[in-house]
Amino acid sequence: GAGVSQSPRYKVAKRGQDVALRCDPISGHVSLFWYQQALGQGPEFLTYFQNEAQLDKSGLPSDRFFAERPEGSVSTLKIQRTQQEDSAVYLCASSLVGEGRGNEQFFGPGTRLTVL
Amino acid sequence: GENVEQHPSTLSVQEGDSAVIKCTYSDSASNYFPWYKQELGKRPQLIIDIRSNVGEKKDQRIAVTLNKTAKHFSLHITETQPEDSAVYFCAASTESGGFKTIFGAGTRLFVKA
Repeated sequence: GAGVSQSPRYKVAKRGQDVALRCDPISGHVSLFWYQQALGQGPEFLTYFQNEAQLDKSGLPSDRFFAERPEGSVSTLKIQRTQQEDSAVYLCASSLVGEGRGNEQFFGPGTRLTVL
Repeated sequence: GENVEQHPSTLSVQEGDSAVIKCTYSDSASNYFPWYKQELGKRPQLIIDIRSNVGEKKDQRIAVTLNKTAKHFSLHITETQPEDSAVYFCAASTESGGFKTIFGAGTRLFVKA
């Protein structure tokens, strides 16, 4: 079956521009996560959804970052007034909660954001 | 806040030798510990995981051990092969309040043929 998909795969933005990154999780997966991965580093937690509810957004670095999952499926991560330090790969992951190996997260290919 | 430390950052072994990567975590509520392999330019993929009620788990050439008292866990790869070369990430996850997952900084493993 289809895995987690993300779009766009690459995004170049000018400093100050707003961007929107999309994640399509595996169908039926309850949980959805967003991570930021800088070059040579591990994924850093940004936010977590269970269905449409955003249960944890403690990792969002500033109020310029906003995520939503209005119908409990597709999610969008929006970054307003992008800064150079926002340049990173943004990874989305989904998991099926509460069933056997429910914690296993399946990652998308990521969106590489470059802010000039 | 929660933290996961991973060592070493780089590991080079000869083909056929074993490789060991170690992680420590700070949040005593953590109860799920996955390991991910990430090849260059690709997404992280789960290779093995362990829950807090188990001390050791093995899957063919890879094994993970967990010491909850000391709050550390390790990945062991035996009979390494060149295709094992990648970056490996440990992580710690806590079920209460959600499944927030904290990743280590990664270990770049080189297996020399």
